[in-house]
Amino acid sequence: GQNIDQPTEMTATEGAIVQINCTYQTSGFNGLFWYQQHAGEAPTFLSYNVLDGLEEKGRFSSFLSRSKGYSYLLLKELQMKDSASYLCAVVDSNYQLIWGAGTKLIIKP
Amino acid sequence: IAGITQAPTSQILAAGRRMTLRCTQDMRHNAMYWYRQDLGLGLRLIHYSNTAGTTGKGEVPDGYSVSRANTDDFPLTLASAVPSQTSVYFCASSDTSGRPGELFFGEGSRLTVL
Repeated sequence: GQNIDQPTEMTATEGAIVQINCTYQTSGFNGLFWYQQHAGEAPTFLSYNVLDGLEEKGRFSSFLSRSKGYSYLLLKELQMKDSASYLCAVVDSNYQLIWGAGTKLIIKP
Repeated sequence: IAGITQAPTSQILAAGRRMTLRCTQDMRHNAMYWYRQDLGLGLRLIHYSNTAGTTGKGEVPDGYSVSRANTDDFPLTLASAVPSQTSVYFCASSDTSGRPGELFFGEGSRLTVL
């Protein structure tokens, strides 16, 4: 079966750095997405990785290792508004999106 | 503002009643999706449509039906609602000429079945 694992919940301090991990076992791979979802709102696109390595976008970076079935989302200089759930999703060989259950990130002052 | 509009945003429904959740997009995306999101389970695909006139079943299609008469509209119908269908429902669309898997979501419809 296909599976995506990410921690259920993480807590970090305002101004700090946090890394959210995602491991996957899927039938094929055609890209990995990170989405951000604030409580009571819709998910919104954060990042996309299809090749190994690091993609940086401002305070957020996403890393992919296809050989290890592993990705992480790195958030720097944490702000209170970063409190949200972060969803990892993989595009499989049929171009279907396989979703993780999401990581709820709590930021404390 | 371009995007996806869902209606209603919230609804309480008696078990056994029929309900249609509406979804309209104005981005001319060819693919549309319906997901449900339940605590601890993440997003689960109910039905999808790759283009107007075609639909397909997702991971949890039982008890739901969809139609895609045109590009913009993709309604989801619960023929006879049951309490296990209490959930938040998200409609999404994608431009299949872009990155596969990049979805644009509506604001969600919170449905409670009593």
